[in-house]
Amino acid sequence: DIQMTQSPSYLSASVRDSVTITCRASQTISSYLNWYQQKPGKAPNLLIYGASTLQSGVPSRFSGSGFGTDFTLTISSLQAEDFATYYCQQSYTTPHTFGQGTRLEIK
Amino acid sequence: QVQLQESGPGLVKPSETLSLTCTVSGGSVSSYYWSWIRQPPGKGLEWIGYMYHSGTIKYSPSLTSRVTISIDTSKNQFSLKLTSVTAADTAIYYCARGDHNYPLWGQGTLVTVSS
Repeated sequence: DIQMTQSPSYLSASVRDSVTITCRASQTISSYLNWYQQKPGKAPNLLIYGASTLQSGVPSRFSGSGFGTDFTLTISSLQAEDFATYYCQQSYTTPHTFGQGTRLEIK
Repeated sequence: QVQLQESGPGLVKPSETLSLTCTVSGGSVSSYYWSWIRQPPGKGLEWIGYMYHSGTIKYSPSLTSRVTISIDTSKNQFSLKLTSVTAADTAIYYCARGDHNYPLWGQGTLVTVSS
């Protein structure tokens, strides 16, 4: 299985800050990398697919980049509703594996 | 718009079979891939597998000996069966649409394995 490692596991930031979450794959996955946001008690919500394509309806302050093994999710000008847990997921090959999650909390 | 809703027992005894159904409303199961993903309480996400109505199926190797995903086009539903469950199978089970990424999810249903 391809292992996905996110860093950091925990992030504290303030409204209007910009933050970056990284995701590293244990082998190359081209651009088959997706990002999800999950709020407590809710299903994950797809933010970005194909490493950098914004899902319809997702605010433009979310952006993704990367190729191969190293990827980033950047949230510019954090809003109150952005405080949640974020997961990366590779879809290069099955089983589709997820990172362990990054919990973003308000400072 | 298309909505997914999981249903099934919330409590299953060890060694028995977990059975869940996902009802698709506002769309057809005869299009798209349909998937199951689970999340142990307080932990991360684990992909279980997906199926296309034509019969294409992929399962997680860690579960393949115990899992079956099927589609019932007459009821517009798809299902998950997981045999010989243990406490390690306690999780929120989500159904989702997609094969590479998952833009649509059900709300999730908690299944607890306990005697």
